[in-house]
Amino acid sequence: DSGVTQTPKHLITATGQRVTLRCSPRSGDLSVYWYQQSLDQGLQFLIQYYNGEERAKGNILERFSAQQFPDLHSELNLSSLELGDSALYFCASSVVIGSFSGANVLTFGAGSRLTVL
Amino acid sequence: GESVGLHLPTLSVQEGDNSIINCAYSNSASDYFIWYKQESGKGPQFIIDIRSNMDKRQGQRVTVLLNKTVKHLSLQIAATQPGDSAVYFCAENTGGFKTIFGAGTRLFVKA
Repeated sequence: DSGVTQTPKHLITATGQRVTLRCSPRSGDLSVYWYQQSLDQGLQFLIQYYNGEERAKGNILERFSAQQFPDLHSELNLSSLELGDSALYFCASSVVIGSFSGANVLTFGAGSRLTVL
Repeated sequence: GESVGLHLPTLSVQEGDNSIINCAYSNSASDYFIWYKQESGKGPQFIIDIRSNMDKRQGQRVTVLLNKTVKHLSLQIAATQPGDSAVYFCAENTGGFKTIFGAGTRLFVKA
């Protein structure tokens, strides 16, 4: 158990629908990241929050949105779903220790597998 | 040897041999470089990192080499074991919090 909790683990829905993925970061981590991983592909950075504020944005579609709440958990909202949105969605939180002071090591959750039919 | 599959490049090695996984990064201003291992059905996990002012760092059975001249990073795994089979990602930290992942390489260990 990495300490990062993602729900649901699996989700099957239809095109045009909207879903919400939830993430609780490791205790004490202030930063949350969302990544999308399509089948046998790399990790596409979507968005990052730090202590409730958006910090960086990647290739996130306008149909997608996210937020980080005062208790630091985060939600990723995916709307008007298309077949191509089927993927693993990972949440990670930031541990600024690593092996050196300053390295931003991410701790990942187990992911939420979204299937759009 | 190393080959490019339909998606992720794949490296196939014999158990007990050494593995070398390569990565090209893009930003010469990156501060740290990190290797992650992603096993099937799991999220990526931290393996080792290296600061940009270093050329080499060793961990347990793993060594990371950094060549800033050609913006190249490599992960060497000694005496590769079946449990090392996974997808390996390099990542670069820029400006503190920003982390960009490389494309990933699938390592397949033959028993």
